[in-house]
Amino acid sequence: DQQVKQNSPSLSVQEGRISILNCDYTNSMFDYFLWYKKYPAEGPTFLISISSIKDKNEDGRFTVFLNKSAKHLSLHIVPSQPGDSAVYFCAAIRGNAGNMLTFGGGTRLMVKP
Amino acid sequence: GAGVSQSPSNKVTEKGKDVELRCDPISGHTALYWYRQRLGQGLEFLIYFQGNSAPDKSGLPSDRFSAERTGESVSTLTIQRTQQEDSAVYLCASSLSATTDTQYFGPGTRLTVL
Repeated sequence: DQQVKQNSPSLSVQEGRISILNCDYTNSMFDYFLWYKKYPAEGPTFLISISSIKDKNEDGRFTVFLNKSAKHLSLHIVPSQPGDSAVYFCAAIRGNAGNMLTFGGGTRLMVKP
Repeated sequence: GAGVSQSPSNKVTEKGKDVELRCDPISGHTALYWYRQRLGQGLEFLIYFQGNSAPDKSGLPSDRFSAERTGESVSTLTIQRTQQEDSAVYLCASSLSATTDTQYFGPGTRLTVL
């Protein structure tokens, strides 16, 4: 039973355009959401997060949107750069379950020059 | 400063053998996590340690898996009688505490069971 799903295994975008990565979750007890970026042969690195009390968080080129009623979050990257090419994982935390992350399956983003 | 380190980076073993994977967290981080990523899948939580509290072992897939942590330092994940389905990248992460503090991941250990 996958509680966090990323339905697009891959996404290809032209440099300079917007990349939109989507994530859906089923557990309404999740109250904190994160995006991680992973390059081959490296561990995931934290990108951006959002608390369930917010619907948007922005950090430079990266913005995360949360729609609690739809149990959906998205990561927008504007403008996309070739160095953004990586696998992006969304993850969720239940507030009363320590800090363990429940991950989606990942989306491979390819930004073409 | 030094990040999370893991050793070995790669491990190839025969089915039925035991393996030990090591994680050195960031100094001062009280929380330590183990995850694994099987080919083509997302990361699965295995176990986490918070200070001197009893570890949360709820993600361990079978009793062949165990982990230890000495105080707030090194952790060892042990897999006994390895099976081919144990083949995965095993990732360790640490955070300042077990709240929503950012988890910093190591590079992982790629385990291949022949």
